[in-house]
Amino acid sequence: ETGVTQSPTHLIKTRGQQVTLRCSSQSGHNTVSWYQQALGQGPQFIFQYYREEENGRGNFPPRFSGLQFPNYSSELNVNALELDDSALYLCASSLGGSGHYNEQFFGPGTRLTVL
Amino acid sequence: AQSVTQLDSHVSVSEGTPVLLRCNYSSSYSPSLFWYVQHPNKGLQLLLKYTSAATLVKGINGFEAEFKKSETSFHLTKPSAHMSDAAEYFCVVSDRTGNNRKLIWGLGTSLAVNP
Repeated sequence: ETGVTQSPTHLIKTRGQQVTLRCSSQSGHNTVSWYQQALGQGPQFIFQYYREEENGRGNFPPRFSGLQFPNYSSELNVNALELDDSALYLCASSLGGSGHYNEQFFGPGTRLTVL
Repeated sequence: AQSVTQLDSHVSVSEGTPVLLRCNYSSSYSPSLFWYVQHPNKGLQLLLKYTSAATLVKGINGFEAEFKKSETSFHLTKPSAHMSDAAEYFCVVSDRTGNNRKLIWGLGTSLAVNP
């Protein structure tokens, strides 16, 4: 059983650029959640994908978008990057569906720096 | 709406002394509650979880937490701190709205362990 992996580990972009972050979920999991963790803060929920459909969204603007693929891996896309987007982006996978509590397993994160 | 409040942003203890990290929650129904730990430059790791079974929950590395509905608390304790326990700890409540099971995070408590 493989854990959650994320790529890249670090990324530097400039304002206005676009970025794509990737996440491979843990084997058997069908749900992926994305979080943004600014320095010194707790993770903030961006959105969740369940069986390739967006299944809830936090308080983030539309320039944050995502995808989930048939193998349940996922991408987070951020357009028109702003300085405040600099953060650690965390992906978590879980087994979703009725009756399942959402124990989420986290990847190591992607550290995004926007200059 | 669910929320969680970690009452201390920083806690400092001596090695071998007890650890108490305090967490209060707000939930309109019986919640699932979690404690996660984040060591510097490492991913988030689940310490323990409460999902409406036994109110005293034992986790990894000697940590435990007690769910107290009357006090809406879920404090994390450990009888004897170890140097390796120094990390950031997050109390988390699950928002269980349909299939959208996002996690709502506290701001974190930084635990320092002094020799």
